[in-house]
Amino acid sequence: EILMTQSPAILSVSPGERATLSCRASQSISNDLAWYQQKPGQAPRLLIYDASTRATGIPARFSGRGSGTEFTLTITSLQSEDFAVYYCQQYDSWPQFGQGTKVEIK
Amino acid sequence: QVQLVQSGAEVKKPGASVKVSCKASGYTFNTFYIHWVRQAPGQGPEWMGVINPGGGSTYYAPELQGRVTMTSDTSTSTVYMELTSLRHGDTAVYYCARDEFPGELRRYCQYWGQGTLVTVSS
Repeated sequence: EILMTQSPAILSVSPGERATLSCRASQSISNDLAWYQQKPGQAPRLLIYDASTRATGIPARFSGRGSGTEFTLTITSLQSEDFAVYYCQQYDSWPQFGQGTKVEIK
Repeated sequence: QVQLVQSGAEVKKPGASVKVSCKASGYTFNTFYIHWVRQAPGQGPEWMGVINPGGGSTYYAPELQGRVTMTSDTSTSTVYMELTSLRHGDTAVYYCARDEFPGELRRYCQYWGQGTLVTVSS
């Protein structure tokens, strides 16, 4: 089983600032990584797949990087609608999600 | 447009079974795999398994093997997930989600159902 570890658990950011979220895999997953955003009471929303490809309709302020075991999601100039929980998910083997990073208003 | 509409909330006693449905529309039902993912309160999502709606083949998470069954009904474009021998730890929101490309198992999903809350309580 591949373990996914996200950090930090909570990230406090002011609107308009940049947020950088990290995700680490317990073994190499190449670039088989997706990022999701989830708001209370809603299903996860796909942001990024293949580590760096934005899903349909996702704004350019969301970007992903990394390969192997280390990945980052960057949100430039945070908007009010971006405050949410973010999950990484590997799909190199059967899907496994991280425990999430909550991006809250500072 | 692609839609996945799930059945309503359920309350079950420990030891009982639950069957959740997911009706698909807006695309060719047989050509995309459907995953089931659950999320316990305050936790990250947990992948449960996947079904090929056209052929009926399934793959289940090892920790749920023996308790979970996924089926499909092509006549109504509906997939089902049944979980047996329910325990308190199965309390969660259950989602169906469509895989990304036709005929392929990419294992990530843009389209999700609205979720079904299953509460296991004595």
